[in-house]
Amino acid sequence: GQQVMQIPQYQHVQEGEDFTTYCNSSTTLSNIQWYKQRPGGHPVFLIQLVKSGEVKKQKRLTFQFGEAKKNSSLHITATQTTDVGTYFCAGEETSYDKVIFGPGTSLSVIP
Amino acid sequence: DAGITQSPRHKVTETGTPVTLRCHQTENHRYMYWYRQDPGHGLRLIHYSYGVKDTDKGEVSDGYSVSRSKTEDFLLTLESATSSQTSVYFCASGTQRGYNEQFFGPGTRLTVL
Repeated sequence: GQQVMQIPQYQHVQEGEDFTTYCNSSTTLSNIQWYKQRPGGHPVFLIQLVKSGEVKKQKRLTFQFGEAKKNSSLHITATQTTDVGTYFCAGEETSYDKVIFGPGTSLSVIP
Repeated sequence: DAGITQSPRHKVTETGTPVTLRCHQTENHRYMYWYRQDPGHGLRLIHYSYGVKDTDKGEVSDGYSVSRSKTEDFLLTLESATSSQTSVYFCASGTQRGYNEQFFGPGTRLTVL
């Protein structure tokens, strides 16, 4: 079945440094979503990418969807302590009603 | 945030007992999902529903059943709880397939002794 992998599992950065997490699917996706979960909280939707090669920005966050629609990345520029949390990608295969979540990347930001 | 609530928020139970978790949404969303979250595994789909009385299995459905008799309610039942089902359970809902932003509830922390 479909598998979604993320690297790294953990990342510790100094405040102000950049951060990138990578997501890879074993199958071609119709779309990919990104979620953020703060410690002790619930996942919150950040964005959805649909088109091959798509790039979207939200302030300091840049999301990319690969040309083959099997991989994606989230890049945060100049991290802040408010960026702390776990970032999940979630891939949806064509013709399915469900998404498969990656295991997440836990980001710690050292002030 | 969308109006999604889960009850109970915390539960401790004993091995072999049945447990039912409730998810309630006020957004009239068609799709609803149950996930479990464990360290190192992220969110794993247990069951989902694509309409009233329409449900399907996810990745880790063994030992779980669901029911959806109304649009707003999605119940998850552990038929005979085991210690391996100790986890945090999240319910989510969404509007449509393909452009399916999911709105998550606050979670239920279940401990099976």
